[in-house]
Amino acid sequence: QVQLQQWGAGLLKPSETLSLTCAVYGGSFSGYYWSWIRQPPGKGLEWIGEINHSGSTNYNPSLKSRVTISVDTSKNQFSLKLSSVTAADTAVYYCARELRLRLGELLSHYMDVWGKGTTVTVSS
Amino acid sequence: SSELTQDPAVSVALGQTVRITCQGDSLRSYYASWYQQKPGQAPVLVIYGKNNRPSGIPDRFSGSSSGNTASLTITGAQAEDEADYYCNSRDSSGNHEGFGGGTKLTVL
Repeated sequence: QVQLQQWGAGLLKPSETLSLTCAVYGGSFSGYYWSWIRQPPGKGLEWIGEINHSGSTNYNPSLKSRVTISVDTSKNQFSLKLSSVTAADTAVYYCARELRLRLGELLSHYMDVWGKGTTVTVSS
Repeated sequence: SSELTQDPAVSVALGQTVRITCQGDSLRSYYASWYQQKPGQAPVLVIYGKNNRPSGIPDRFSGSSSGNTASLTITGAQAEDEADYYCNSRDSSGNHEGFGGGTKLTVL
């Protein structure tokens, strides 16, 4: 059974760089996309970006200038860096596995396995 | 901002049926997936594709889609179904994922 274990610094000062890593255990790393999602306190889910095993990435346009997602296939890990953080970046950050299939008439993208989340607080 | 629109809150009497909807143009090309999130927990996938449930999800959860609207139906809602529900789909460009704003379900 696939499990995602994530870690990284939980307290940052404004202007610092957020850095999180997610490790994949118990399943294949290739053949999937791997996503980062965040959730500010009391608010909804926001997709940050995704990467596949080859390193192909897509980013949320609202964060693209500050986000870098990378992959280390030798360790079955992928990482998130978000630069120049502010208090608005305070959130729980999740990693997730994304599947892409054609099921019926339409395409289906869905995230079937999630990490437990890492709380990141930005405060001076 | 999200291209998917959900009602902020819905309530249902215990044992009754409730439908949670998600609207967006991208739903004409992509099925929505649905996630249940309880306080302090990570989201859990409950419906994907046309109407598929991951292993372990009760069959009282079902999904449907028509035009630009996707629906999550809970038939015979239980107290443990009280949670936030989010829809998710690729956006109209096909390059990004998006989430609806979430629906808080209260079971009365």
